[in-house]
Amino acid sequence: QLQLEESGGGVVQPGRALRVSCTGSIFRTYGMHWVRQAPGKGLEWVAVISYDAKQKYYADSVKGRFSISRDNSKNTVYLQMNNLRPDDTAVYYCAKDRGADHYFDFWGRGILVTVSS
Amino acid sequence: DVQMTQSPSTLSASVGDRVTITCRASQSVSSWLAWYQQKPGTAPKVLIYKASNLESGVPSRFSGSGFETEFTLTISNLQPGDFATYYCQQYNLFPLTFGGGTRVEIK
Repeated sequence: QLQLEESGGGVVQPGRALRVSCTGSIFRTYGMHWVRQAPGKGLEWVAVISYDAKQKYYADSVKGRFSISRDNSKNTVYLQMNNLRPDDTAVYYCAKDRGADHYFDFWGRGILVTVSS
Repeated sequence: DVQMTQSPSTLSASVGDRVTITCRASQSVSSWLAWYQQKPGTAPKVLIYKASNLESGVPSRFSGSGFETEFTLTISNLQPGDFATYYCQQYNLFPLTFGGGTRVEIK
């Protein structure tokens, strides 16, 4: 059964960096996404990486600061977050897409990242 | 970017009611639209994909319709477990975008 588990969250000061990870099973042939949700707010798509890591796209709000990568040998996708801001505070979910269709048919449980001094 | 606008933002209903949520796109997304249900403290769950296709395992009281810029999610015979927040999402273009959400609460 497919499982996705995020790790690496926590509290970080503004301007600092943090890397969150998502480990799962059987996602090597799928695109993987990060979606975030600020406390009490709606969903915001953050980034996607194709199954072969050749294509990556980002939301404008994180472009130039966040970087998505994956290691299929470890069944893991990463989100490197640099120059963090307080408005990056959110639960970060990793999610698997349906291949050619970029909707999310399986999600991790999410991990909280808090940016605060 | 494609802006997704949901209405209403909150909806009060009773068990057994039929409810409809609307999602409008700022430009055509063809049929590349999904609907999700989210309950507090949990990850979203996909209900509908490609505007009207029911995800496997989702009860048939959920249905979706629409094309290009106007879409609806209908829940027939509302059940206690359906009180949640619902989001639409377009996947026609990057960046992928969500609607602001519709909270379905108990009247």
